[in-house]
Amino acid sequence: QKEVEQNSGPLSVPEGAIASLNCTYSDRVSQSFFWYRQYSGKSPELIMSIYSNGDKEDGRFTAQLNKASQYVSLLIRDSQPSDSATYLCAVVIMYSGGGADGLTFGKGTHLIIQP
Amino acid sequence: KAGVTQTPRYLIKTRGQQVTLSCSPISGHRSVSWYQQTPGQGLQFLFEYFSETQRNKGNFPGRFSGRQFSNSRSEMNVSTLELGDSALYLCASRRPENEQFFGPGTRLTVL
Repeated sequence: QKEVEQNSGPLSVPEGAIASLNCTYSDRVSQSFFWYRQYSGKSPELIMSIYSNGDKEDGRFTAQLNKASQYVSLLIRDSQPSDSATYLCAVVIMYSGGGADGLTFGKGTHLIIQP
Repeated sequence: KAGVTQTPRYLIKTRGQQVTLSCSPISGHRSVSWYQQTPGQGLQFLFEYFSETQRNKGNFPGRFSGRQFSNSRSEMNVSTLELGDSALYLCASRRPENEQFFGPGTRLTVL
């Protein structure tokens, strides 16, 4: 049974600061990792995907993956009030013949950016 | 490209009824997955369809079923509705690189 753990928050960060969101997963076979942002009443929106150890940067967002420690994190630089949302971590196992297992999601971290 | 579309956006049903939800993936995407989101359980995987075949299935009872058509559009059916089936049902379209993109969802309320 795969499990993905996230601190539910709320995580309160002042505007302009760096928001750091963390996620741990239980299944060592997990190979693909994703961060989604979900505003209240909306569907999840893909922010970042990361597949190999290390950092991946996209604009103000940086995803970090450490497979040995089984954790993945998301850093948001220069946080804006519009970044206030729930951030969902998701992991998936990919099959050698193509295709993948369904996404396993954490419960999400509620992030609040204080103006 | 147009995004994932889901219909209807809102549904109200009573216990014991059945419901069918529809999803059209992003053009060119052949994989469609369905998820259920509730406040208590979060986002949970229901099943995935690829080329009209169910490829993966989550841990849900047989009342939850689906199918996919040759144009990649997918439908999800829930029979004998229970109060606990009230949820946001999300469809996701997946590209070969494995990234999944969600539609707006169907909000189902069971009375």
